[in-house]
Amino acid sequence: GAGVSQSPRYKVAKRGQDVALRCDPISGHVSLFWYQQALGQGPEFLTYFQNEAQLDKSGLPSDRFFAERPEGSVSTLKIQRTQQEDSAVYLCASSLVRDTSTNEQFFGPGTRLTVL
Amino acid sequence: DAKTTQPPSMDCAEGRAANLPCNHSTISGNEYVYWYRQIHSQGPQYIIHGLKNNETNEMASLIITEDRKSSTLILPHATLRDTAVYYCIVRPLIQGAQKLVFGQGTRLTINP
Repeated sequence: GAGVSQSPRYKVAKRGQDVALRCDPISGHVSLFWYQQALGQGPEFLTYFQNEAQLDKSGLPSDRFFAERPEGSVSTLKIQRTQQEDSAVYLCASSLVRDTSTNEQFFGPGTRLTVL
Repeated sequence: DAKTTQPPSMDCAEGRAANLPCNHSTISGNEYVYWYRQIHSQGPQYIIHGLKNNETNEMASLIITEDRKSSTLILPHATLRDTAVYYCIVRPLIQGAQKLVFGQGTRLTINP
């Protein structure tokens, strides 16, 4: 079956522009996660949804970052007034069952954002 | 979350077993050990996880020491496609503790 998909795969933005990154999780997956991966580093957690509820947004680096999942399926990560330090790969992951630590997360290919 | 320590890089010859170590000396009794890998330009991929018993699946084996302070991921017959960054992660089994905390990982290079 289809895995997690993300679009666009690559995005170039001028400093100060707003961007929106889309994630299509695996159908039926309850949990959805966003991670940020800087060049040469491991992914870092941004935020977590259980269905449409955003249960943890502790990793969002500033109020310029906003995520939503209004119908409990597709999610959008929005970054307002982009800065050069926002340049990174943004990864989305989904997992089937909530509140169980043993569930594996399935990752999408990521969106590489470059802010000029 | 417990901290993990991994060597930054390792090399292995194609066809040989690749043994990737991980130290997690502060692991708690309710924390699982997870391994993910990330092939270049792809998202991380789940490999295996365990609590205290050794585990094996079609991808790898996970050996956890009796005191649970370290573990080893074993790729029994490494191929060129196993070249990737391998992440060892400990993850508590408590409600709401869903996120994965990645370290720097080990960059494994399989040589022909």
